[in-house]
Amino acid sequence: SQTIHQWPATLVQPVGSPLSLECTVEGTSNPNLYWYRQAAGRGLQLLFYSVGIGQISSEVPQNLSASRPQDRQFILSSKKLLLSDSGFYLCAWSEGLSEGYTFGSGTRLTVV
Amino acid sequence: LAKTTQPISMDSYEGQEVNITCSHNNIATNDYITWYQQFPSQGPRFIIQGYKTKVTNEVASLFIPADRKSSTLSLPRVSLSDTAVYYCLVGATGSNYQLIWGAGTKLIIKP
Repeated sequence: SQTIHQWPATLVQPVGSPLSLECTVEGTSNPNLYWYRQAAGRGLQLLFYSVGIGQISSEVPQNLSASRPQDRQFILSSKKLLLSDSGFYLCAWSEGLSEGYTFGSGTRLTVV
Repeated sequence: LAKTTQPISMDSYEGQEVNITCSHNNIATNDYITWYQQFPSQGPRFIIQGYKTKVTNEVASLFIPADRKSSTLSLPRVSLSDTAVYYCLVGATGSNYQLIWGAGTKLIIKP
């Protein structure tokens, strides 16, 4: 069966520090991968999605970047965090762009 | 992209049937309707998806009228563990990544 791993679960980082969140998927090949952010009490906002290795599409221009160095690995990064980067970050995968999502457990990022 | 409207919150009691209605007046011909459930500090979980009429699975039913401008998620005999936020989304096949997530409906089940 397919599983998705996302870490860390919580993270507190100072303003201006770098960020690296990692997501890996097991039990499937060539999944579509997504990074979402959720502000408190709000819906999810799509940040990046990837349909293959090295292929990244950005939905919202901002202080973040994403990379897919391997088929089942998706990384969310920032060189310098801002206070506004705080939020709940979720990684997800799907079989195809028309399929439902399976989400990871999320990372709660607090920038101080 | 169709926009959805849901109640911000709902209360119910254990053992009751709960119906959450979602309006999507601008739904397009090739849009599907999907519902997700989210518990605090967890990622959303897929519940059910449909295109028209009625869809039923082991956890819920989805009712979609002929004009498809609304849909109703029905949860039979809810328990305290059904307390969560429920999201209604509409989107075309092949473009799920463009789904717009609203704030959802916060469902609180009381004993």
